[in-house]
Amino acid sequence: DQQVKQNSPSLSVQEGRISILNCDYTNSMFDYFLWYKKYPAEGPTFLISISSIKDKNEDGRFTVFLNKSAKHLSLHIVPSQPGDSAVYFCAASRLDTGGFKTIFGAGTRLFVKA
Amino acid sequence: NAGVTQTPKFRILKIGQSMTLQCTQDMNHNYMYWYRQDPGMGLKLIYYSVGAGITDKGEVPNGYNVSRSTTEDFPLRLELAAPSQTSVYFCASSPHERQTYGYTFGSGTRLTVV
Repeated sequence: DQQVKQNSPSLSVQEGRISILNCDYTNSMFDYFLWYKKYPAEGPTFLISISSIKDKNEDGRFTVFLNKSAKHLSLHIVPSQPGDSAVYFCAASRLDTGGFKTIFGAGTRLFVKA
Repeated sequence: NAGVTQTPKFRILKIGQSMTLQCTQDMNHNYMYWYRQDPGMGLKLIYYSVGAGITDKGEVPNGYNVSRSTTEDFPLRLELAAPSQTSVYFCASSPHERQTYGYTFGSGTRLTVV
């Protein structure tokens, strides 16, 4: 039961170009979405989030877009830098019995080529 | 500020052995979590705690136990290790139930059961 899917296991982008990472979800009750970045041998670190009442949130080079009707969110990185090479996880959160429930996608590995 | 500290970083266990994965946070966060990450999969919640003395099961609790005697510490106990428990384990904490600004993760423990 994969409620949060990241269908691209990997993505390769040239430095300076745009990176677009995609995430789809199946449960319309999710109302908060997050992106995490993970380097090898480290834990995930929070990158950016968006509430379901918005369709866009921007933080520097990172922008998250939410399309609720399509149950789809995307992370745009512009311009991409070699230091952005990492695994990116999307996560979706909703209120459930017993508290908030968060489901993580399997991750997309981004390679930014210099 | 150390954040979330996990020990050990690596461990090899034989089938049937037991061990405790340690997790400590110095941010005075009430909410703490244990996740496991299997190859090609998203993070799966094992157990969580909403405060000292209060713990509850997540998605995949079988084979594990936790305790939360202090705000800072949230150890994860594996009894009778099995090959299916080979995984990377992440501990995380949050000041709020809703991860508005994301969880703070530790750097992980890579466990192999042989």
